[in-house]
This record gives sequence, structure tokens and C-alpha cells, in this order.
Amino acid sequence: EAGVTQFPSHSVIEKGQTVTLRCDPISGHDNLYWYRRVMGKEIKFLLHFVKESKQDESGMPNNRFLAERTGGTYSTLKVQPAELEDSGVYFCASSRQTSGWDTQYFGPGTRLTVL
Amino acid sequence: DQQVKQNSPSLSVQEGRISILNCDYTNSMFDYFLWYKKYPAEGPTFLISISSIKDKNEDGRFTVFLNKSAKHLSLHIVPSQPGDSAVYFCAASATGGDDKIIFGKGTRLHILP
Repeated sequence: EAGVTQFPSHSVIEKGQTVTLRCDPISGHDNLYWYRRVMGKEIKFLLHFVKESKQDESGMPNNRFLAERTGGTYSTLKVQPAELEDSGVYFCASSRQTSGWDTQYFGPGTRLTVL
Repeated sequence: DQQVKQNSPSLSVQEGRISILNCDYTNSMFDYFLWYKKYPAEGPTFLISISSIKDKNEDGRFTVFLNKSAKHLSLHIVPSQPGDSAVYFCAASATGGDDKIIFGKGTRLHILP
């Protein structure tokens, strides 16, 4: 079974540009989560999809961040326009069950550097 | 305000000895606790978990202990092996809510030869 995949692995952009990160969850996993780790800090929750619906987006920093999961499969996270403080590693995770707890499996992350 | 705290940024342990990683939490609503292990340039890998109805869970060399009254959990690795060198994240979730995971800052474990 393939794990969670993320693309790209690294992205270097200039302040003010737009970047789109992609996450492909494990096949059959309805839950998809985005997390972010800014240097030196803990991994922080951004948002949670159940299939194509946003279940919880309380962790999204501001309206420069837009997440989508059309069709309930892969998800994209767009940052527009990017700011210096957006630099960090963006992780995607997925889990199977929609009720009760199920282990969240993480992808390798996308390292975003905003110059 | 950190809800999950790992107060030791790093820990060095001799190969073959026991590694003990500690974690404290503040939110009484947490009822599920996890440990993730992370190697450089990889995502966190699930290691072991424990529900709040238990005080111990064991999986091979890894044991997690939960002390709810002290809001404290620990991960024991016995015996420690070179491949255990990694960053370990303590994490918690309130399963009656939205299942998001709240992470600590991590402890870097070095296994010495």
C-alpha cells in the first residue's frame, strides 16, 4: 500500500509569489489533514478534510491560505501571496475512519522557503 | 500556549540501555496520546499510542506509560538501538472533537555506540 505522497518536496519562491502544494493521501482514506512546522516550533494543525468537506479549518493562519480537496481524493494547499513567515515544512496526513480515532499517517512534507 | 510539552530538547543514551522520553500536557480534554518518530527529511512516523482508559501500552521494545492525574506520559525504549536515533514527538488528541493532533516540540534522541 502506497503511503501519503506530497509534491513538491522543496519549493523556493519569492515573497509575493504563489505556491501550490499537493497531497495524495493513502487510497481509501477519507480523512486528510494539513499541518505545518515552522523552524524551531512544534508541528501545528492547519485543517482537516473529511472526503471533500472541510471539517475543521481553525488552524489556517489567514486568508492567504486556501485548501481544496475536489472529489475527495488529493488535496492542494495554495499560498497567495506568500510571505516570509510562511516558510516551513508543510505536512499532510491521512486516516481511514470518519468516526472514532484512527492513526494518522504522515507524508514526507514539502519544505517551503520564501525569500 | 503549549498544550503538549517536551521539556528535554535532546537526550543521549548508550546503546543497549533504556531511553526514557517524557511529556506533559495541560488539556484535560485529551483522551488519546501518541508518539511519533521522525528522521531528517521524512514525515513523522507513528510509533505507539495509548488511550486515556489505560495506563500502559507495550509494543515490542516500546512502552508508553500514562499518568492522568499528573498529566504526564513517557516513552520507554528498551534496549536502545542505533536506529532509534531520531526526533520523537509526543502528541495528543481530544477524540470527541475533531481528531486534530497537538504536538510537542520534540526530543532528539542520540543513541551512543
